[in-house]
Amino acid sequence: GDSVTQMEGPVTLSEEAFLTINCTYTATGYPSLFWYVQYPGEGLQLLLKATKADDKGSNKGFEATYRKETTSFHLEKGSVQVSDSAVYFCALPYSGNTGKLIFGQGTTLQVKP
Amino acid sequence: DAGITQSPRHKVTETGTPVTLRCHQTENHRYMYWYRQDPGHGLRLIHYSYGVKDTDKGEVSDGYSVSRSKTEDFLLTLESATSSQTSVYFCAIRGTGEIYGYTFGSGTRLTVV
Repeated sequence: GDSVTQMEGPVTLSEEAFLTINCTYTATGYPSLFWYVQYPGEGLQLLLKATKADDKGSNKGFEATYRKETTSFHLEKGSVQVSDSAVYFCALPYSGNTGKLIFGQGTTLQVKP
Repeated sequence: DAGITQSPRHKVTETGTPVTLRCHQTENHRYMYWYRQDPGHGLRLIHYSYGVKDTDKGEVSDGYSVSRSKTEDFLLTLESATSSQTSVYFCAIRGTGEIYGYTFGSGTRLTVV
């Protein structure tokens, strides 16, 4: 069945370092792909999305490119800040256009000053 | 300001007791979802609703039931709580426009002792 796999965390970086969080997926066809972020003590928020192959989603300095050849949607940021410390979830829709999302296991990012 | 609230925010209960969690929205959205979040598993869908009195099971529905008697409220009931149901529970809503743009509540941390 459809699934999402994220890199194991936690990821610990110094401020201004480059960030990559890997996400690969298994799905039928070419679904939309999403990154959600969860700040401490809060619910998840949509960070960015891409709706078709080769699309690049971007928001708040984060980017992710939908690569169908490698079935990947890696999250990147050129210079992280302490305020980026959070849990990041990759997600894709269940098949059948039901509006339900499958989430990866989440990757915790800790940025140190 | 998000238009979705969960109650209670924290609860400790004993094994075998019934527990009901409430999700309340003021957005008049049609779709509502209950997820649970556990380390190493990310978010997993428990139940969802696509309208008043219209609900369906997710991937981890055993031991849970839901009800939606009005648009704004989606209740999750653990009929007889077990320790394996210790988790953080998130409710999410979405409208019909942005099909995967979920808005999440802040979560309920449930501990079953």
